[in-house]
Amino acid sequence: DIVMTQSPGSMAVSLGERATITCKSSQSLLYSSNNKNYLAWYQQKSGQPPKLLIYWASTRESGVPDRFSGSGSGTDFTLTISSLQAEDVAVYFCQQHYFTPYTFGQGTTLEIK
Amino acid sequence: QVQLVQSGAAVKKPGASVNISCKTSRDTFNNYHIHWLRQAPGQGLEWMGVVNPRGGGTSYAQKFQGRVIMTRDTSTSTLYMELSSLRSEDTAVYYCAREGLSGTWYGWFGPWGQGTLVTVSS
Repeated sequence: DIVMTQSPGSMAVSLGERATITCKSSQSLLYSSNNKNYLAWYQQKSGQPPKLLIYWASTRESGVPDRFSGSGSGTDFTLTISSLQAEDVAVYFCQQHYFTPYTFGQGTTLEIK
Repeated sequence: QVQLVQSGAAVKKPGASVNISCKTSRDTFNNYHIHWLRQAPGQGLEWMGVVNPRGGGTSYAQKFQGRVIMTRDTSTSTLYMELSSLRSEDTAVYYCAREGLSGTWYGWFGPWGQGTLVTVSS
């Protein structure tokens, strides 16, 4: 199985500041046939199911604010929140959708400083 | 707004089976694969498998092979996930989630159900 490793495990960022979460996969998620990286990001608020933010590493899901962006390729990926809002407090997960079983990172807890 | 509505919480004894339902709209049922995932208390997320509601085809994670069955009822646009031989480690919130793109299966998860807590305890 592909192992997904996120860092940091938790972080506190001031309102309006940038938050950056990294995700590393144990093997490349770049599919050469279409040059797409099979990596998604989710946000999970307390007591709620996860919500899709990003897929194919950098494609923002419809309705997701543009302060959320994804980047990276191969085995190293980043989720960036450009200007943290109070409603962004949540746990964030990366997920590879290249091979089954699809696997997730362990999560990054984001809080307000 | 896309809705996937799951059945309520369940408490089961070790060795028993649990059957969770996930009701979708006709559009979702006819056009999107449905995945099942779970999340143990305070833990990460785990993919269990996927079902194509139109044809009934399934693909299960090897970890659950032989213990999980994913089915559907075309008359009510409802999906079902049965997990058998339950043990304490199966205590988790179970989710159904719609595939991100219609008509195919890329393995990211768009709208999710609200979750169903299954507690396995003697």
